[in-house]
Amino acid sequence: QVQLQQWGAGLLKPSETLSLTCAVYGGSFSGHYWNWIRQPPGKGLEWIGEINHSGSTNYNLSLKSRVTISADTSKNQFSLKLSSVTAADTAVYYCARGLGTRFGENTRWRFDPWGQGTLVTVSS
Amino acid sequence: QSVLTQPPSVSAAPGQKVTISCSGSSSNIGSNYVSWYQQFPGTAPKLLIYDNDKRPSGIPDRFSGSKSGTSATLGITGLQTGDEADYYCGTWDSSLSAAYVFGTGTKVTVL
Repeated sequence: QVQLQQWGAGLLKPSETLSLTCAVYGGSFSGHYWNWIRQPPGKGLEWIGEINHSGSTNYNLSLKSRVTISADTSKNQFSLKLSSVTAADTAVYYCARGLGTRFGENTRWRFDPWGQGTLVTVSS
Repeated sequence: QSVLTQPPSVSAAPGQKVTISCSGSSSNIGSNYVSWYQQFPGTAPKLLIYDNDKRPSGIPDRFSGSKSGTSATLGITGLQTGDEADYYCGTWDSSLSAAYVFGTGTKVTVL
């Protein structure tokens, strides 16, 4: 049974870079897409981006200029970096495995499982 | 920012049924399969329904999903106090800015 465990700094100042890491336990790192999703306090979910074992990435266009997702396959880990953070980036950040098939339309995609979440607060 | 619209809240008495709608467009729900996630306060979302109407192992059949056109629906029958949570729909959006999109979320309250 795959489990995800994540960690990283929880308090940042404006303009700093957010950095989080997620470790994959109990399953294969290859053959899947590994994702970051965030949730501002009291608000809904926002997909940030993904990476596969080959290093291929896709990002939400709204964050693409500031986001980097990387992977260390030797450790079954993947990481998120978000630069130039502001208070608007305050959120709980989740890692999650992406499952399904994607062929343009008729995409079947879901996230399962999820990491436990990390609250990142941006404040001066 | 969410492109999928859900009612903010639904409620019903224990044992009753609730339905949650998720409205999108031709580039997301109209073209792709929908998933649903359940989230209790302070915890990570959990996959509840995938591929419009499939339940992962361990999810009771009180939970059901369906899709028609550019809308999807989550149904919960035999409502229990333990079902009080936030529910989100989600699907891939195949527009030029391809991305996974989530619904606005619905709070289910058991009266």
